[in-house]
Order: sequence, then structure tokens, then C-alpha cells
Amino acid sequence: GAVVSQHPSRVICKSGTSVKIECRSLDFQATTMFWYRQFPKQSLMLMATSNEGSKATYEQGVEKDKFLINHASLTLSTLTVTSAHPEDSSFYICSASYNKGTAQLIYGYTFGSGTRLTVV
Amino acid sequence: DAKTTQPPSMDCAEGRAANLPCNHSTISGNEYVYWYRQIHSQGPQYIIHGLKNNETNEMASLIITEDRKSSTLILPHATLRDTAVYYCIAEGHGQNFVFGPGTRLSVLP
Repeated sequence: GAVVSQHPSRVICKSGTSVKIECRSLDFQATTMFWYRQFPKQSLMLMATSNEGSKATYEQGVEKDKFLINHASLTLSTLTVTSAHPEDSSFYICSASYNKGTAQLIYGYTFGSGTRLTVV
Repeated sequence: DAKTTQPPSMDCAEGRAANLPCNHSTISGNEYVYWYRQIHSQGPQYIIHGLKNNETNEMASLIITEDRKSSTLILPHATLRDTAVYYCIAEGHGQNFVFGPGTRLSVLP
């Protein structure tokens, strides 16, 4: 259980275009989803936290107008990289927190398989 | 900043136990210790988590010291497929995960 599907796994786009990445929770409702970015040989860096039905919270230094996050349902969050540039090339990963049981105990976080974005 | 420190790399012989240490000396009482691993170009994979007691599942065992300032992830019989970066994270439920650099484990034939 608690599977997150991320799509696409790889995308190449031209500089100046926009790219949308989807993150779906397949067998649970994800009230909170997180978006990370990972550059080569570096660790994951949190970009933003999205809660269903409300605006995302962005980490310091992450441009909210460039990285648009939509979490319109309990099973889908999208990240749109607008006007992409080569420096936006990175590995983008989403994750979702999930609850189990009536005690609302969060069991942890499950991650998508990641999206390799290359901007040329 | 990450609340944990781990050695940057470790080697382990195939078939032997891999013991990965993690220091979390500033962990607070309501924070759990989580372990994830990331195989190249994939998303992190959940391994195990615990609060105070030692935990075991089909993948690994987690040993947490009594003072909770450190822990060890044990892969009992490492295989080549266990080669990955292992992340130890100390965080409360519902809070954002902050990833440190992790430990790059190389399982050698």
C-alpha cells in the first residue's frame, strides 16, 4: 500500500517552455504532498509543501511563480516548471504523507520514482 | 539543516551484515528516526522507522540507543542490490523531511 506514481519519468524540453509533472497517490488520500529537487551528487532539497485545497508553502529561495504547484484533489498534485531554463535541469521527486488508523497516526512518507528534467 | 550525521560512505561484503550508523544527538522526544534509501535515479524507498524501541521488518533492523542519540540500521545479509545511498532522518510526524547527504553504501562481491 501507500504507492505514489509520478509521471513522466523523463522529459526533455526546450528553453522557455513549461513542463508539468504529476504526482498521484494510488491507494490512499494524500492531504499533504511535498516536492523535492535533487542535483547530481547532491541530496534531496525540499522545494515546497502542498496541502489539498490550499496554496503551497515554498521553501526560501524557491520562486513560487516559476514552480507552480496545484493540489486540487486528495490524490493528485502537479508541479509546473514555467519558462524552463537549463539551470532548472534536475531530478524532481514528489512524496506524500499518509495516515493510517483512526488515531491519525502518520506512518511515514512515500516517494514517487522521480522525474528527470533536461532543458536544452 | 539535517538533524542527523552519517558517515559519507561505507563498504560491505556481499552476504555480510551492513551496519549503518547515524547520530541524532539533538533529537526531541516526539521525533522518530526514519531510514530511507535511494538507488541511483530513483525516488527514496522507505526502509524502517522507530521511536524508542528496536524495530525489525523484512528489510532491516533498527537499533536505537537508550538515550536515543544514535541509531544503527542493520541489513542482515547485504546483496549487490542493496548498494544505494542511505538516509537517516529524525523528524516528528507530519513534519517536513530534511535530507542530509546520507551514507553511500557499496556492497562488494
